[in-house]
Amino acid sequence: QVQLGQSGAEMKKPGASVKVSCKASGYTFASYGISWVRQAPGQGPEWMGWISVYNGNTNYAQKFQGRVTMTTDTSTNTAYMELRSLRSDDTAVYYCARATNVDTAMEPWGQGTLVTVSS
Amino acid sequence: DIQMTQPPSSLSASVGDRVTIPCRASQSISHYLNWYQQKPGKAPKLLIYAASNLQSGVPSRFSGSGSGTDFTLTISSLQPEDFATYYCQQSYYTPPTFGGGTKVEIK
Repeated sequence: QVQLGQSGAEMKKPGASVKVSCKASGYTFASYGISWVRQAPGQGPEWMGWISVYNGNTNYAQKFQGRVTMTTDTSTNTAYMELRSLRSDDTAVYYCARATNVDTAMEPWGQGTLVTVSS
Repeated sequence: DIQMTQPPSSLSASVGDRVTIPCRASQSISHYLNWYQQKPGKAPKLLIYAASNLQSGVPSRFSGSGSGTDFTLTISSLQPEDFATYYCQQSYYTPPTFGGGTKVEIK
C-alpha cells in the first residue's frame, strides 16, 4: 500500500538547521509531488511548500522563503525538507504528504517528525 | 492568505448522533475544499476532497457539501472511532490554509 515513512525526532539549538526525510513506497514516486506541512503543539496544520518529484519544481510558502529547501532523490524514492536558522517557534511536528499538485488534496501523510528547538 | 474559520472549536455528541461541522473561507474558493480527520498523536487523514468527494476507503457516513465560502462536513451516525479533530483546508489559493479544527468529543 502507499506509504510515507519519515525520519526520527530531532532536537536542535536555535540557529541550527534540520533536514527531515520522507521515504515513499507503494506507488510510482515521480508521478506525484510531495507537500510538507507542520503542526505546532495544539495548533492547526500549516503548509510549508510543495515539490514536484517529476521535475524538481518547488512552491514555497512566502513565510518560509529563503529558509527552507525541498529536494527529492528518485534513486531512493526519498523527499527531503531542510529548514535553516531554527527558532523556538519552529518547534513542531513536520509531516510529508503526497499531493499531485499544490491545489490538490494531500493523502497519505507520513507519520510525522517532531523537531524541538531549544537552547 | 485565505482565512479558514471553524466554529465551534469543540462539540460534544453521542454515538449515533448526526453531526455537522461548518467551515467558512474568507473569500470564495469555489469547490477547492478538503476535510481531514486527526486523532491524537497521529497524522491527518483525508476524508473528503473537492468539497463533496469521498476519499477511497472512507466510510459513507461521512459527506461534504458547500461551495464558495461556506462548507459543511456531516457525519450521519457518529461512531466511537469518529471522536477526533476535523480540519478543513482550502487549496484554491496559494498557500493552502487550514482551519483551526473542530474537536468532536464524547457527550
